[in-house]
Amino acid sequence: EAGVVQSPRYKIIEKKQPVAFWCNPISGHNTLYWYLQNLGQGPELLIRYENEEAVDDSQLPKDRFSAERLKGVDSTLKIQPAELGDSAVYLCASSLMGGREAGYEQYFGPGTRLTVT
Amino acid sequence: TQLLEQSPQFLSIQEGENLTVYCNSSSVFSSLQWYRQEPGEGPVLLVTVVTGGEVKKLKRLTFQFGDARKDSSLHITAAQPGDTGLYLCAGDDMRFGAGTRLTVKP
Repeated sequence: EAGVVQSPRYKIIEKKQPVAFWCNPISGHNTLYWYLQNLGQGPELLIRYENEEAVDDSQLPKDRFSAERLKGVDSTLKIQPAELGDSAVYLCASSLMGGREAGYEQYFGPGTRLTVT
Repeated sequence: TQLLEQSPQFLSIQEGENLTVYCNSSSVFSSLQWYRQEPGEGPVLLVTVVTGGEVKKLKRLTFQFGDARKDSSLHITAAQPGDTGLYLCAGDDMRFGAGTRLTVKP
């Protein structure tokens, strides 16, 4: 079974430019997560989707970040415009179910390493 | 948000030694997960603990969930270089601790 797929793996952009990341979750997983991970830190949740619905986006900086999950499968995360402080690894994860029920174990993709210069 | 604190932040040991890392919170969790992350990869789930006082073993790794379900520990017996990585705990609110970076020297 294929795991969570993310692309690109690496991205270098200049500040003020837009950037987008793509995630394809494990087939059949209803819940999708986007995390940001700074060097030496744990992942920080940005947004969680249950199917097409964003059920937790409280940590998403909505002035410059946006996300969508059309048709409840693939998802994209966009930053516009990027700032120097956005340099980090962006991780996508999926789980069979969300919330605090059994089956919410998350499976992560390899991440996209963003460098903003 | 239920804050998870992990300790120690860094740990460097020799092959064959035993070690324990901790994940603590002032809040109660219905369950808690442990992950290991290697450089350039996403975290990989090791175990989920759900019952207070529960002990789970995964080869040389022993995971314990505190009786009050506020804390957890991971004990590694006879550590090997392949155990090197960032060990993360996460609560059922999908929030992670900052992790313990373990280095096992041959």
